[in-house]
Amino acid sequence: GAGVSQSPSNKVTEKGKDVELRCDPISGHTALYWYRQSLGQGLEFLIYFQGNSAPDKSGLPSDRFSAERTGGSVSTLTIQRTQQEDSAVYLCASSLKATNEKLFFGSGTQLSVL
Amino acid sequence: LAKTTQPISMDSYEGQEVNITCSHNNIATNDYITWYQQFPSQGPRFIIQGYKTKVTNEVASLFIPADRKSSTLSLPRVSLSDTAVYYCLVGPPGGDKIIFGKGTRLHILP
Repeated sequence: GAGVSQSPSNKVTEKGKDVELRCDPISGHTALYWYRQSLGQGLEFLIYFQGNSAPDKSGLPSDRFSAERTGGSVSTLTIQRTQQEDSAVYLCASSLKATNEKLFFGSGTQLSVL
Repeated sequence: LAKTTQPISMDSYEGQEVNITCSHNNIATNDYITWYQQFPSQGPRFIIQGYKTKVTNEVASLFIPADRKSSTLSLPRVSLSDTAVYYCLVGPPGGDKIIFGKGTRLHILP
């Protein structure tokens, strides 16, 4: 596609429910990132995929968070048993090869946990 | 990863040139300096990247002194639409994960 696509753009869920957020990176981009941004705050790194290498999961805040990337393309971020503090914008980015390449971001998914 | 320090916020007026300085005292030899811009309700957007001296594109200029311990993003003749958060990042090509700091909130006044 022309850019990084994220879906849904908005998600409202109840505390304790599981949610899945999807990211379609730019075709051919081997690196994919997930970040979280709370209102008025900077970007918090969550997880990084690079090609077929094991993902860097060092930013995931708890074991309720997981992510996978199938076929080196689409990625899904799953949050289990959501909590109110999970409410934030979840941003996905991709780059052509590796880190410190130009990152292209999606518009994000606004997650609201009631 | 080299730590970066930049002002939390800045105000300027339309038509002015705005310079945002980022300090990165422990920058490594193979680190590049990259700036991103983030508008409200959008993901960040790449502005410019450089290694040394000066880089210029259609959006901004990046000035890097010889010691590379700081860098200055220069936005010429800003408009209200330049109101955004600007992030300075330092890291090597093909290196570790990219970590964003808190950025500089630039507010352009009419």
